Amino acid sequence: ETGVTQTPRHLVMGMTNKKSLKCEQHLGHNAMYWYKQSAKKPLELMFVYSLEERVENNSVPSRFSPECPNSSHLFLHLHTLQPEDSALYLCASSQDFGGNEAFFGQGTRLTVV
Amino acid sequence: AQSVAQPEDQVNVAEGNPLTVKCTYSVSGNPYLFWYVQYPNRGLQFLLKYITGDNLVKGSYGFEAEFNKSQTSFHLKKPSALVSDSALYFCAVRAFNDYKLSFGAGTTVTVRA
Repeated sequence: ETGVTQTPRHLVMGMTNKKSLKCEQHLGHNAMYWYKQSAKKPLELMFVYSLEERVENNSVPSRFSPECPNSSHLFLHLHTLQPEDSALYLCASSQDFGGNEAFFGQGTRLTVV
Repeated sequence: AQSVAQPEDQVNVAEGNPLTVKCTYSVSGNPYLFWYVQYPNRGLQFLLKYITGDNLVKGSYGFEAEFNKSQTSFHLKKPSALVSDSALYFCAVRAFNDYKLSFGAGTTVTVRA
């Protein structure tokens, strides 16, 4: 295991539901990321946090709302999603930026019905 | 803007043969380059990285990669592939003074026995 834990592993939600994805890192890292992975497409960087401050919001629709209450935890709050939002959502952390590699969680497989 | 291209969607090799997965990148300034592997239903796992120095980088599980600045390439190689190397491989780049870690679309490697 990489030290980055995501819950739940699978989530099915209706378009009117509200749910949250949780990520926890046990590595003492300062940076955390949310990525969206869709088949045959590059990973899409959604949000980046450094020391609990958001440094990137990569034109993500407002129906996705991140929260970073401390350097070990990252949430992605979901509401009124669309079927095209179905994907694997990956959380990652790194010590810092530059040449530091990111460590990924196993992802949450989200299906919007 | 930075980007990564993995020109091959799929690479098929016989076990024991050399394996090469291609990657080219575009970034302003000096790059940090990474390779990751993803097994089914798992997150991305770090293989190796180039920061500076020797152009040939060695990583986990017998993999290596060669940085070529003039060709802006960072191809992943393994001298003798194993069936267990069958997976999805991602190349990633980060600019010297940036926080964004940008990924390619991935290359599916299949090693046949």
